[in-house]
Amino acid sequence: AQSVTQLDSHVSVSEGTPVLLRCNYSSSYSPSLFWYVQHPNKGLQLLLKYTSAATLVKGINGFEAEFKKSETSFHLTKPSAHMSDAAEYFCVVRDYTGGFKTIFGAGTRLFVKA
Amino acid sequence: DTEVTQTPKHLVMGMTNKKSLKCEQHMGHRAMYWYKQKAKKPPELMFVYSYEKLSINESVPSRFSPECPNSSLLNLHLHALQPEDSALYLCASSQDSLGLGRNSPLHFGNGTRLTVT
Repeated sequence: AQSVTQLDSHVSVSEGTPVLLRCNYSSSYSPSLFWYVQHPNKGLQLLLKYTSAATLVKGINGFEAEFKKSETSFHLTKPSAHMSDAAEYFCVVRDYTGGFKTIFGAGTRLFVKA
Repeated sequence: DTEVTQTPKHLVMGMTNKKSLKCEQHMGHRAMYWYKQKAKKPPELMFVYSYEKLSINESVPSRFSPECPNSSLLNLHLHALQPEDSALYLCASSQDSLGLGRNSPLHFGNGTRLTVT
């Protein structure tokens, strides 16, 4: 069965410091993995996706994520946080058996201090 | 700007009212979705339409009634809602729901903030 675990419910960083948001997944087959960001009272915006091509995936706004099959992880990173990065982040998995089902992690709230 | 447009942005309705939420996309996507999102929680799937046919209903109460008039439009009709139905309702679309669909990301609208009084 598919599952997604975001290891931190809250992460707080200072502006200009690196960001690390952790995600572990469980999937029966080779999954597709996504990271979304949600700002207050907004919809979810796709940051990046992994679909079995390069394991290091670059996304928008300087974010990137690395797929590590041996660790079943897909952590999201950014070298230098900006105040505008403060938002909720969701790790999402889909695999062949998922069909329409898209499994969301519980979310990680990122706080950025000036 | 999002490519999935939802109207209205905000809606306040009484428990006896009938209202509708609307969603539109022009990306040629053939799968469309309704999600419900409570505060500080991830979105929860309600309905999926594939090629304009309802393919998944996640045991949603009948006071929520989806409709897909054509491949670009998705409606959610609301009737006799309860205060606990207050939430952010998100529409999403994806290229396909079969085969390659697993690689196709969901594209979300900005949602309708619904308050039931």
